[in-house]
Amino acid sequence: DAKTTQPNSMESNEEEPVHLPCNHSTISGTDYIHWYRQLPSQGPEYVIHGLTSNVNNRMASLAIAEDRKSSTLILHRATLRDAAVYYCIPYNQGGKLIFGQGTELSVKP
Amino acid sequence: KAGVTQTPRYLIKTRGQQVTLSCSPISGHRSVSWYQQTPGQGLQFLFEYFSETQRNKGNFPGRFSGRQFSNSRSEMNVSTLELGDSALYLCASSFAGTGTGELFFGEGSRLTVL
Repeated sequence: DAKTTQPNSMESNEEEPVHLPCNHSTISGTDYIHWYRQLPSQGPEYVIHGLTSNVNNRMASLAIAEDRKSSTLILHRATLRDAAVYYCIPYNQGGKLIFGQGTELSVKP
Repeated sequence: KAGVTQTPRYLIKTRGQQVTLSCSPISGHRSVSWYQQTPGQGLQFLFEYFSETQRNKGNFPGRFSGRQFSNSRSEMNVSTLELGDSALYLCASSFAGTGTGELFFGEGSRLTVL
């Protein structure tokens, strides 16, 4: 299973962009990179996933390094509702999503 | 459409007992996976079922088991409960299976073992 390294915590101001980094240097060539987040007292929620090229959806953008050893989740304008633990998860071809410790994002008004 | 439903939401058991948790996936989803979440270990994969067959299994003892029915509903069972089994148990459903796209998680069943 690919190992991931994420900052334990990050802070952001409301309405400002947030860049959440993730290192996954042992990722295999066909692993997708998934991001999930978990709000307090809720189950995880899908955010975005990608393979090689950058991806955008209504929630966020995902920037994937050319060597695929790292990626960055970008929240364009943080809101208080974005305060959560964010998990970066390389997709294991065996079908297991292995969650690391994640990054706890706090958003200040 | 209705989300993933887990029952019961909260339960208290004593050591040595067994427990069964239920998960109803989103209609049309054939994959159900289970996770254990504790403050110390975080979210850990238990197993995944797809079309009534266990497709993947995490590193948990045999006391943890599961099954999936023909309507895709799934149950997990923990026998001979230990204090360390106290956790939030989450299930997730998807159309094709874990790793291939978006998983939809339920709100979890919080188990306390006394």
